[in-house]
Amino acid sequence: DSGVTQTPKHLITATGQRVTLRCSPRSGDLSVYWYQQSLDQGLQFLIQYYNGEERAKGNILERFSAQQFPDLHSELNLSSLELGDSALYFCASSAGAGQGISSYNSPLHFGNGTRLTVT
Amino acid sequence: EDKVVQSPLSLVVHEGDTVTLNCSYEVTNFRSLLWYKQEKKAPTFLFMLTSSGIEKKSGRLSSILDKKELFSILNITATQTGDSAVYLCAAVVAGNNRKLIWGLGTSLAVNP
Repeated sequence: DSGVTQTPKHLITATGQRVTLRCSPRSGDLSVYWYQQSLDQGLQFLIQYYNGEERAKGNILERFSAQQFPDLHSELNLSSLELGDSALYFCASSAGAGQGISSYNSPLHFGNGTRLTVT
Repeated sequence: EDKVVQSPLSLVVHEGDTVTLNCSYEVTNFRSLLWYKQEKKAPTFLFMLTSSGIEKKSGRLSSILDKKELFSILNITATQTGDSAVYLCAAVVAGNNRKLIWGLGTSLAVNP
């Protein structure tokens, strides 16, 4: 058990809808990362938050947004869903944000993911 | 453009075989390399390699980094069916913020 909790495990919804995925990081971790994984694309980095602030953006669509709350849990909002958004969405956490030796030496720990199916 | 390439893409072996998975990288400001094992759910952390030539070991798994030739290998000896998974590697890149460049993974199937 990585200590990272994601809910829900599975989500099935129709095109055009909006969903919210939730992530609780490991105790003590300040950074949260969101990844999308589809069969043919591998792990695609979406966005990172550190202690409530956005730190880095990857291939995140404008229809997607995220935030990290004061208690450090994070939510990923996906709107105007399309069939191509069907994927596994992972949240990962780490102790640091990427600055300083200790940050680079802290690996990411992943949650079990949310499987999103858009029909 | 930063990239990480894993090979082979897919591998099928018999229990007891030894396998070597490769991860080569071309990135700027390389800091370290991570290996993960992904079964049906979350990638689970295996190794972090920062220094060249120093082998990290965990049971039947071991890994080493070559920063001159820009690659890492993951060895699994005496494979078991429970080793069947996708093995992912990622290069950690330094900058204003840590960035991970992921490979597409090697799918390993160990047959009894």
